[in-house]
Order: sequence, then C-alpha cells, then structure tokens
Amino acid sequence: DVKVTQSSRYLVKRTGEKVFLECVQDMDHENMFWYRQDPGLGLRLIYFSYDVKMKEKGDIPEGYSVSREKKERFSLILESASTNQTSMYLCASSSQGWNTIYFGEGSWLTVV
Amino acid sequence: ILNVEQSPQSLHVQEGDSTNFTCSFPSSNFYALHWYRWETAKSPEALFVMTLNGDEKKKGRISATLNTKEGYSYLYIKGSQPEDSATYLCASPSGAGSYQLTFGKGTKLSVIP
Repeated sequence: DVKVTQSSRYLVKRTGEKVFLECVQDMDHENMFWYRQDPGLGLRLIYFSYDVKMKEKGDIPEGYSVSREKKERFSLILESASTNQTSMYLCASSSQGWNTIYFGEGSWLTVV
Repeated sequence: ILNVEQSPQSLHVQEGDSTNFTCSFPSSNFYALHWYRWETAKSPEALFVMTLNGDEKKKGRISATLNTKEGYSYLYIKGSQPEDSATYLCASPSGAGSYQLTFGKGTKLSVIP
C-alpha cells in the first residue's frame, strides 16, 4: 500500500517560531508537493520538487521554504511563523508526468 | 494561474439518488484532468486521471466524462450512498512540462440516509 506520511498531525506554535513540517513517501516518487487548504480557497500549492535538491515555487511560496535532501523526504519550513499561516498543510507525491498524486493525511498548524 | 472551476459548491441528495457535478477548465493547452475524493479526516484519494477528449472512466458507481474541446468534465454518482459523502476535487496541470496541478475548490456532497 502506497504511503505518504506527515509526521506531525497537530501543532501549535507561537508567532515568530521556526516550524518544520516533515513528509516521507515510500513509493520512490520523483515529485513531491506541499499544499495548504483553507476554507473557501481550495488546495493551493506552496512548493514542489521534481528531484532531490530541486525545488519550484508554487502559487503561494511567500513565507515558506522547502528542503529535499533525500528522494523520499520533503520538508516545509516556516522561517518565522505568523498567524496567517494557521492552516491545514498537505504533502503529496507522484511519479514523473501527470500521474496520480498521493496525499498524506495533513498537518493542522495553529500559530498563536 | 490556471482557472479550474467546480459547480455546484455543495450538494445534498437523498440516499439512492443519482447525481452529477461539473469541472470546468480552459480548453486551450489541455494536458490532463484529475478527479479526487476527499472524505473528512482522511487523505484525498485519486479517482480518475483523464487525458483524451471523449474519455469515459468508471469505478464502481462513480464515472467521469471528459470534453477537452469545450473544457469540462462531469462526475456522475449512480445510486448515492452515505459513504459517498465527501468533497470531490478536480485538478489540471498548469502547463506543458509542469507537474503543478491547479485544483478547483471542490464540490461537497452530502448524502442523506
């Protein structure tokens, strides 16, 4: 069974803290993605990566960075968390091309 | 940013009713159309990936059609069951060589027992 695992399901962080959201996939997929889901706005892409050490900005990259040091792991970093980054974050992966995307279960982040 | 729209935003149907909803996308530079089902407290789950005009795909009671010339896809659910209650998302790649999918805002389906 394919699996995308987000290590932190629920986090509460203070404004200004550095936050790491970790994601691991076991399908040897080339592509990995970070989305955020907000009511009324749908799924919006923050960053994606199509290979180790490669990254591309999505639609809303401001305030975020990413790291992909190993093929199976894609980390989302909030350098200085702000309250407008309170959201649900979804990690996903896919093989090359426009193939099915497999999602993790999501990480709920609250910034206070 | 690609404009992918879904309608209706939400839908309530009685158990046993059949239903359908729409995904609209720009017909120019079409590459693929994805459908996902997202149940509460679970991960979004892939239903279909469609690439050819006129394509029809089926998975149990759920089927989808694709019209790339006019820029829409329909998702049909035959004989809705309470377990079909979920948000249904469609998505399309943002451009040639891009693996970035742009998602619609989804159609939230509630099936009333």
